[in-house]
Amino acid sequence: EPEVTQTPSHQVTQMGQEVILRCVPISNHLYFYWYRQILGQKVEFLVSFYNNEISEKSEIFDDQFSVERPDGSNFTLKIRSTKLEDSAMYFCASTRDGTAFSYEQYFGPGTRLTVT
Amino acid sequence: AQSVTQLDSHVSVSEGTPVLLRCNYSSSYSPSLFWYVQHPNKGLQLLLKYTSAATLVKGINGFEAEFKKSETSFHLTKPSAHMSDAAEYFCVVSDLLGNTPLVFGKGTRLSVIA
Repeated sequence: EPEVTQTPSHQVTQMGQEVILRCVPISNHLYFYWYRQILGQKVEFLVSFYNNEISEKSEIFDDQFSVERPDGSNFTLKIRSTKLEDSAMYFCASTRDGTAFSYEQYFGPGTRLTVT
Repeated sequence: AQSVTQLDSHVSVSEGTPVLLRCNYSSSYSPSLFWYVQHPNKGLQLLLKYTSAATLVKGINGFEAEFKKSETSFHLTKPSAHMSDAAEYFCVVSDLLGNTPLVFGKGTRLSVIA
């Protein structure tokens, strides 16, 4: 069964460093998402991406964050200058299309980011 | 704005007994509602979804949920718990029109005692 994959599973970085989290969505999917979950808190939406541009973003997704689909398979989340409060589990998701009745977001296993 | 309240942060049941995980939602639009499960060190897996068809929705692994508009609830049930059901469960709401961000509840951790 096709699945969303994410690498690395765990990333440790120092405050102020740049990190890139990588995701490979399911191959025929068109919409891509990043969510994060700070330990003990809710899963929160960050950004959605369609047709090579951001379609929606939350207030969390500030100028420190960017997303990119550099080739036909990868979808990346970059944090330019990490802060302690960026420590969280980051989930990538994808969906085939935007119609309500087939709508299901498939999630990857997550990348745990630890900022020290 | 949409929101989800999961009424219990932790539920503990004995193996073979029924499971009830409670969820209430708030939505300005006709909602889509979902239950996702997360096993340790695994991604989020869709259990079931409601998208304005039948109000009683059957999912994987024997789970089901009933959409009750009058009560703004979407509780998850299973007649008989199995040890493998121990996990974190998330109730999620989205706009029925699709391709909108999912709004998650805080999650309910289900423990199953042998």
